Amino acid sequence: GAVVSQHPSWVICKSGTSVKIECRSLDFQATTMFWYRQFPKQSLMLMATSNEGSKATYEQGVEKDKFLINHASLTLSTLTVTSAHPEDSSFYICSASALTGGVQETQYFGPGTRLLVL
Amino acid sequence: AQSVTQLGSHVSVSEGALVLLRCNYSSSVPPYLFWYVQYPNQGLQLLLKYTTGATLVKGINGFEAEFKKSETSFHLTKPSAHMSDAAEYFCAVSVWGAQKLVFGQGTRLTINP
Repeated sequence: GAVVSQHPSWVICKSGTSVKIECRSLDFQATTMFWYRQFPKQSLMLMATSNEGSKATYEQGVEKDKFLINHASLTLSTLTVTSAHPEDSSFYICSASALTGGVQETQYFGPGTRLLVL
Repeated sequence: AQSVTQLGSHVSVSEGALVLLRCNYSSSVPPYLFWYVQYPNQGLQLLLKYTTGATLVKGINGFEAEFKKSETSFHLTKPSAHMSDAAEYFCAVSVWGAQKLVFGQGTRLTINP
């Protein structure tokens, strides 16, 4: 149980284009989903937290207009990188959590999406 | 605010030897603590977690960790390393559930044959 998928796993795009990454919880309803960014040989940096049906909460320094997050259902969240540039190239990982006894206990992570902007 | 320090960015052990990955946390309220493993080009897989109750937590793949409040530590151990254990390991802390995880910098575990 607690499987999270991401699509696509790899994406290469030209500078200036937009890229959408999907994150799905396959066997549970995720009340909250998280988006992280990971640079090579570094830890995960939280970009934003999204709750189903409400606007995402972005971490300090993350551009809301550049990284659009939509959490339209309890099983799907999307991250759109708008007007991507080479510096946006990175490994993007989502996670999802669900309420257990009124408490969100564990985040389950997707396999990640590697974005390369040329 | 919470923080996590993983001592040693790189740990190397021989196959069959004890694995010890260190994690110290800082939290002003009772924490929830997690260990995740990441294989190359993959997401994170939960190894084990501590929320409340028993301080010795057993996880998958033979790993376990002990929550020591007095030492603010949550070290990860495995009695006998296997080649398949080679990966990056992350310790993380949260409060009030997993609404927001704070990760350590990670420890790369290498297993020597």
